[in-house]
Amino acid sequence: QQQVKQSPQSLIVQKGGISIINCAYENTAFDYFPWYQQFPGKGPALLIAIRPDVSEKKEGRFTISFNKSAKQFSLHIMDSQPGDSATYFCAASGGTNAGKSTFGDGTTLTVKP
Amino acid sequence: EAQVTQNPRYLITVTGKKLTVTCSQNMNHEYMSWYRQDPGLGLRQIYYSMNVEVTDKGDVPEGYKVSRKEKRNFPLILESPSPNQTSLYFCASSLSGFYQPQHFGDGTRLSIL
Repeated sequence: QQQVKQSPQSLIVQKGGISIINCAYENTAFDYFPWYQQFPGKGPALLIAIRPDVSEKKEGRFTISFNKSAKQFSLHIMDSQPGDSATYFCAASGGTNAGKSTFGDGTTLTVKP
Repeated sequence: EAQVTQNPRYLITVTGKKLTVTCSQNMNHEYMSWYRQDPGLGLRQIYYSMNVEVTDKGDVPEGYKVSRKEKRNFPLILESPSPNQTSLYFCASSLSGFYQPQHFGDGTRLSIL
């Protein structure tokens, strides 16, 4: 049973455009939702994270929107740049097994110049 | 430099030959975890450790063993590797298992023939 569903699988955006990646979760006990960015040959690196007590968090061009009632959260990348081309993973953790992390399947973002 | 170091980075071996992938972190982190990454499946958690001598199963623990005798090290052991364990493996650590981002190593690519 997949607990975090991520979409789309791949995304192509023009330079300067907005990239939007969505995730939906099932376990209402989850209470920490990070997004990771991964470049080829490297491990994932934290981009931005949110907890369910806020509905939005912004860091530079990156924004997480969180909808607790719908059990959904999304990553918005404003003014997308070719250097943003990477694979993005959403994740969720929390509840009785706080150390257990569940990741989405990933989204490959290509930003065309 | 704060980092998570995995060794080896690449390994080709044969079915049934025991192998160990080492993971070490220099950030004095309490929490460590192992993941495998397969195309289209995101990152799946194998085992995690909230602290020294404390380990728990993730979503795909079958065929793997771990130990946490020291805070900085968290080796992944494949006692009798099989071809379905061919994958890209990542070790990660965080300050604690609660609401903290994970820092990932650069991965170990294992091929089991």
